[in-house]
Amino acid sequence: QQQVKQSPQSLIVQKGGISIINCAYENTAFDYFPWYQQFPGKGPALLIAIRPDVSEKKEGRFTISFNKSAKQFSLHIMDSQPGDSATYFCAAKGGGATNKLIFGTGTLLAVQP
Amino acid sequence: DAGITQSPRHKVTETGTPVTLRCHQTENHRYMYWYRQDPGHGLRLIHYSYGVKDTDKGEVSDGYSVSRSKTEDFLLTLESATSSQTSVYFCAISERGSNTDTQYFGPGTRLTVL
Repeated sequence: QQQVKQSPQSLIVQKGGISIINCAYENTAFDYFPWYQQFPGKGPALLIAIRPDVSEKKEGRFTISFNKSAKQFSLHIMDSQPGDSATYFCAAKGGGATNKLIFGTGTLLAVQP
Repeated sequence: DAGITQSPRHKVTETGTPVTLRCHQTENHRYMYWYRQDPGHGLRLIHYSYGVKDTDKGEVSDGYSVSRSKTEDFLLTLESATSSQTSVYFCAISERGSNTDTQYFGPGTRLTVL
């Protein structure tokens, strides 16, 4: 019930291509779905987030698509750049006041020049 | 790193020794969290705090304890370190509000238990 399943584990994309990372969840009480980006040796940093009342959110080259009925959400990186090479984590926040996040296992993205 | 520091940044210790990691924030956020990051597991919550002296367990709390005597400091203690606790530890903070569910992460502490 509390898991967030993320795929693929790793991804290689050519510069200018589209990177797509998928996540699925079971708990319908989740009410906030962030994506974090992490560079080697650094802490994760919030990239973009969505709430279940919208189906898509776009910020620059980054888009979250959210499918509430399928309990799935995905990150799309358009025009992928070598600087986007990083590990990406999806997460979901359960109901309640503690802001606890459940994280996916991460996707290592390599964008080749 | 959103006004969050972690100390030490790197530590090597031996099995059976106590270890304390410190997280310090300058944001006056109410919520603080300790995670561990391991390959194939992502980030897993160890303990969290929702106020001074108010703490609770996360999903991987065995072998760890925490304390929060001031808003700005959240300590993670390994009473008797084991090799399975070799990991990268991240502290995070958040301030819940209608539009503020974001957690901000510190730079991490790499702990090696020999």
